[in-house]
Amino acid sequence: GQQVMQIPQYQHVQEGEDFTTYCNSSTTLSNIQWYKQRPGGHPVFLIQLVKSGEVKKQKRLTFQFGEAKKNSSLHITATQTTDVGTYFCAVANGGSQGNLIFGKGTKLSVKP
Amino acid sequence: DGGITQSPKYLFRKEGQNVTLSCEQNLNHDAMYWYRQDPGQGLRLIYYSQIVNDFQKGDIAEGYSVSREKKESFPLTVTSAQKNPTAFYLCASSILAPGTGSEQYFGPGTRLTVT
Repeated sequence: GQQVMQIPQYQHVQEGEDFTTYCNSSTTLSNIQWYKQRPGGHPVFLIQLVKSGEVKKQKRLTFQFGEAKKNSSLHITATQTTDVGTYFCAVANGGSQGNLIFGKGTKLSVKP
Repeated sequence: DGGITQSPKYLFRKEGQNVTLSCEQNLNHDAMYWYRQDPGQGLRLIYYSQIVNDFQKGDIAEGYSVSREKKESFPLTVTSAQKNPTAFYLCASSILAPGTGSEQYFGPGTRLTVT
């Protein structure tokens, strides 16, 4: 079945440093979503990418979808302590309408 | 306010007991989902439902059961057959977007501890 690999599993940064997490698939994706889960909280939708080579920005967050639609990245510029949490990518499970398959997530910690 | 509610936030049970976790949504979404999250792990799909009175097994359905008698409600029962029930359980809902997957809205979760 569909799988998505997410790296790194953990990332520790000093406040102000940049952060990037990557998702990779062996198959072409129809789209990819990104979620953020704060410590003790629940996942919250951030964005969905659909088009090949698509780049979207939300303030300090930049999301990219690869040209081949097999990989995606989330980049945070100048991290802040409020960025702490786990970032998940999720892809559509082509066999089941509406279902998503989540990556294992990248846990970001930010040292002030 | 529209959203998804789960209750209770924390739940403690003795081994051998069945326990039912509540999930209610007022977003008028057709699809609802149950996930299990273990420390350091991603979300694993337990069951999902795309329409009232219909549901399908996810990747880890063994030891769990669900019902979908109303559009708004999708309760999950963790049975005594589930070997490692202690986990964080998340309920979600979405509109149906065939083939593409649509944004999922999550409830606050229930942290179940079985001893």
